Amino acid sequence: EAGVTQSPTHLIKTRGQQATLRCSPISGHTSVYWYQQALGLGLQFLLWYDEGEERNRGNFPPRFSGRQFPNYSSELNVNALELEDSALYLCASSYPEAKNIQYFGAGTRLSVL
Amino acid sequence: EDQVTQSPEALRLQEGESSSLNCSYTVSGLRGLFWYRQDPGKGPEFLFTLYSAGEEKEKERLKATLTKKESFLHITAPKPEDSATYLCAVRTSGGYNKLIFGAGTRLAVHP
Repeated sequence: EAGVTQSPTHLIKTRGQQATLRCSPISGHTSVYWYQQALGLGLQFLLWYDEGEERNRGNFPPRFSGRQFPNYSSELNVNALELEDSALYLCASSYPEAKNIQYFGAGTRLSVL
Repeated sequence: EDQVTQSPEALRLQEGESSSLNCSYTVSGLRGLFWYRQDPGKGPEFLFTLYSAGEEKEKERLKATLTKKESFLHITAPKPEDSATYLCAVRTSGGYNKLIFGAGTRLAVHP
């Protein structure tokens, strides 16, 4: 069974540009989560999508946004990129019920120059 | 505010030297504590989930335990391939499924 897949593996952008990161969940999982792992910091929760709806959002500015498609895949968009947005962006998926386990992809390394 | 603290930040062990990693938490209502392993440049790999004080889970050389204030990840007779960063995370009653992570413990096991 395929795990969570993310693309691209690496992404290089300049300040002010927009970045789009993609995630395909494990088959059967309807919930997708996005986390940011900046150098020297722990994983910080960004967004949670389930059944195409945004269910929860972390303490990030509105220029971080995303969506979930009917096939449960998801996209994270970061507008007006800033240098401090450079980080590993991790996607996880799970079943939406309580006590679920989140399984992570390998991440997208975003570098903002 | 919900908080997760892991100690030590880094741990160096000789192969076969058993030790424990600590995860202490202060949360409004625990709905699960999770241990993950993360190798450099990769995403976290799920290890264990614990839901109530007194619960224990084992997998090969690893054993996770949970009390009302902390969790321990015991590593028995570690091997070099156990070298990784070990992350602890909690899900809380008011957290809407999000995981709150600690900063992790970097474990290095030397032959």
